[in-house]
Amino acid sequence: EDQVTQSPEALRLQEGESSSLNCSYTVSGLRGLFWYRQDPGKGPEFLFTLYSAGEEKEKERLKATLTKKESFLHITAPKPEDSATYLCAVRGGYSSASKIIFGSGTRLSIRP
Amino acid sequence: DVKVTQSSRYLVKRTGEKVFLECVQDMDHENMFWYRQDPGLGLRLIYFSYDVKMKEKGDIPEGYSVSREKKERFSLILESASTNQTSMYLCASSQGTGSYGYTFGSGTRLTVV
Repeated sequence: EDQVTQSPEALRLQEGESSSLNCSYTVSGLRGLFWYRQDPGKGPEFLFTLYSAGEEKEKERLKATLTKKESFLHITAPKPEDSATYLCAVRGGYSSASKIIFGSGTRLSIRP
Repeated sequence: DVKVTQSSRYLVKRTGEKVFLECVQDMDHENMFWYRQDPGLGLRLIYFSYDVKMKEKGDIPEGYSVSREKKERFSLILESASTNQTSMYLCASSQGTGSYGYTFGSGTRLTVV
């Protein structure tokens, strides 16, 4: 069964303190791994798509990496405005109708 | 940019009322989805649609129905609202094939009293 597990559930960092969020996945035939950011009371906002092991994507202070079993979202020198819940999701299977499976998210809080 | 628009940000309804949540996307996406999101339970798929007039049940369809009469519009219907349907409802859309992610709307916070 396809599964996505994110850790930690919550992470509190000081401004400027770099860290990483983990997303472990089990899926048959990975078609894409996605990272989203969600602010309180709003819908998830797309950040990255990764397709194959070894791939990396960057956006400002965020960098996403992918291996065959997990993905990391690295946050370098974070600022308070990076505080949000970060969701990981995978799309697998061999059908064009395959659905995305979401993890439960990591709540990131950056203290000034 | 793809835009997914949900008609209401906040709704308060009474128990037993029939509730309609509307979602419109503007990029000709084939697939549309309805999720609910609750603290500690994450995103749970209610219904989805791969084409006009087509619908499939997700993981928690009980108490809900959907309608997709036009490609750009996907409606979620609560036939008789109950307090346990108080939640954040999120609509999403995606292109039909390949490895595309979803684009989400801003959500509707529904409270059933």
